[in-house]
Amino acid sequence: SQELEQSPQSLIVQEGKNLTINCTSSKTLYGLYWYKQKYGEGLIFLMMLQKGGEEKSHEKITAKLDEKKQQSSLHITASQPSHAGIYLCGADRGGSNYKLTFGKGTLLTVNP
Amino acid sequence: DADVTQTPRNRITKTGKRIMLECSQTKGHDRMYWYRQDPGLGLRLIYYSFDVKDINKGEISDGYSVSRQAQAKFSLSLESAIPNQTALYFCATSGGAGNQPQHFGDGTRLSIL
Repeated sequence: SQELEQSPQSLIVQEGKNLTINCTSSKTLYGLYWYKQKYGEGLIFLMMLQKGGEEKSHEKITAKLDEKKQQSSLHITASQPSHAGIYLCGADRGGSNYKLTFGKGTLLTVNP
Repeated sequence: DADVTQTPRNRITKTGKRIMLECSQTKGHDRMYWYRQDPGLGLRLIYYSFDVKDINKGEISDGYSVSRQAQAKFSLSLESAIPNQTALYFCATSGGAGNQPQHFGDGTRLSIL
């Protein structure tokens, strides 16, 4: 069964609009990582969230971790074409393995 | 220069051939990982290594082997490639104590005919 569910699977927005991507876990979250991937390229680390209620921001991207809901959200304010790509969440399963389970990704298109 | 370098970036080969994908890093990290990415399936862990003497299987290790030649080098081998191993392969590293983010290379696009 899929441990990490991302929604939506794809999203098309007009430049300047705000948007939210969600990542929901079927298991307890010990750490949640957000990455961005340009098509066919490597993953770029965006943010790491570890504590319930934690919120981090980088430029116009904000991520929150709702531990009770086992969910994280990624919010982009005033989207730009440079935000386009695939956003992936990765979850730490806990223990000492430091292995990550990834969601399938959300494809974001920003139209100018 | 990239912190995590994968070679080759692209490779096309035939069924039954032996393939080696290489990964080197300048980040000084102890932990290294190999993933494959397939459309609709996301990223799946093949092997991971916490140091030169510690190598572990991931979710989908069948048909693959790895070698950790040094702290900075971690290679992935396909002993006898088959078409369903066609995928985008990523190497990643992480370091430090506790939870640390993984840093990824640019990937190797492998096609097996």
